Amino acid sequence: QKEVEQDPGPLSVPEGAIVSLNCTYSNSAFQYFMWYRQYSRKGPELLMYTYSSGNKEDGRFTAQVDKSSKYISLFIRDSQPSDSATYLCAMKNAGNMLTFGGGTRLMVKP
Amino acid sequence: GAVVSQHPSRVICKSGTSVKIECRSLDFQATTMFWYRQFPKKSLMLMATSNEGSKATYEQGVEKDKFLINHASLTLSTLTVTSAHPEDSSFYICSASRGTGDYEQYFGPGTRLTVT
Repeated sequence: QKEVEQDPGPLSVPEGAIVSLNCTYSNSAFQYFMWYRQYSRKGPELLMYTYSSGNKEDGRFTAQVDKSSKYISLFIRDSQPSDSATYLCAMKNAGNMLTFGGGTRLMVKP
Repeated sequence: GAVVSQHPSRVICKSGTSVKIECRSLDFQATTMFWYRQFPKKSLMLMATSNEGSKATYEQGVEKDKFLINHASLTLSTLTVTSAHPEDSSFYICSASRGTGDYEQYFGPGTRLTVT
């Protein structure tokens, strides 16, 4: 079993839809949770960074962490075609070694 | 912001040759740099971690004699793929961090390597 599981998709939604992306993990030592966005043939860029259980909002993006269930989510409101990319969850304990999920490819159609 | 560049962005080389990829932190000092490999539609797999002035620490299964990593300064790390083979064709991404503690990793744009 992988440490971090993420549905690869692709996930196709119409413009304006609410998108829900999810990851589950098995290592209870993970304390920090991140979501990265990666456009095709580009490096990942950090979208959200959370530490504790609960919600964190930044514009159209909301990150949710449920440590008791070992489950994290990223919600995108009013999705745009420019949101089409691969979304990678990542997590770590102390230090800066990241463990990535497999990534979910999202396509937002105009 | 924290900007990381990679050069070249894409390279094609012949089997048996060596190719060097550079990773630079442009506006900060990177004590630690990471090298990842990414296959199509797959996630990032950590290859090695390097601290400035020290030997790189390789992940299990990564051949250190094949993937030579040098982190000679606080702004530059290089990955040299030696005796390249078509199976080495992949997307290589570096990231840089200000330290070994709880510091963010800033990712470069990646290098597409094709070995013919």
